[in-house]
Amino acid sequence: LAKTTQPISMDSYEGQEVNITCSHNNIATNDYITWYQQFPSQGPRFIIQGYKTKVTNEVASLFIPADRKSSTLSLPRVSLSDTAVYYCLVVKGGTYKYIFGTGTRLKVLA
Amino acid sequence: NAGVTQTPKFRVLKTGQSMTLLCAQDMNHEYMYWYRQDPGMGLRLIHYSVGEGTTAKGEVPDGYNVSRLKKQNFLLGLESAAPSQTSVYFCASIKKEGQKNIQYFGAGTRLSVL
Repeated sequence: LAKTTQPISMDSYEGQEVNITCSHNNIATNDYITWYQQFPSQGPRFIIQGYKTKVTNEVASLFIPADRKSSTLSLPRVSLSDTAVYYCLVVKGGTYKYIFGTGTRLKVLA
Repeated sequence: NAGVTQTPKFRVLKTGQSMTLLCAQDMNHEYMYWYRQDPGMGLRLIHYSVGEGTTAKGEVPDGYNVSRLKKQNFLLGLESAAPSQTSVYFCASIKKEGQKNIQYFGAGTRLSVL
């Protein structure tokens, strides 16, 4: 399973766009990149998943360059309620094991 | 739609006691997982199941046992609790759509072992 590296923490202000980058240098051909969000005292919640280029949904965008050795989660116009821990996972297609790193603690300030 | 339900939400045990954590899902998912999360850490996989009657070890299986007698339930047992097992336990079930995997988590069980 590919190991991921993320910044430990980030601060932002309300209304700003936040970009969290994840490094996964040994990603394999059939691996997918997935991001989860976790609020205090709650289980993680799926945000977005992608394989290459750009994926967008109603809450975030995921940018994956051609070499796929990194990915960037983009949260547009964050609010205080986006304060959470964000986890980047590399998931091998057809595998059953998932490895969560320590994640990125995002704090949104007023 | 309840999703993934964990019981109990909180529990305090004495060293050496046993207990069972229950995870129930109503989404008809085949895959179910048990994780533990220690303060300031990410989740670590304890055991998982890819279908009724099957279980497998994850990253940190020692001291735990599991059973998946029914598709909708995944039980995590601690035979002889130790203080090192003080943690928050999360259960998840997985929706697979082709290559896409989405984990749905329960609210967690906070366990303290004294």
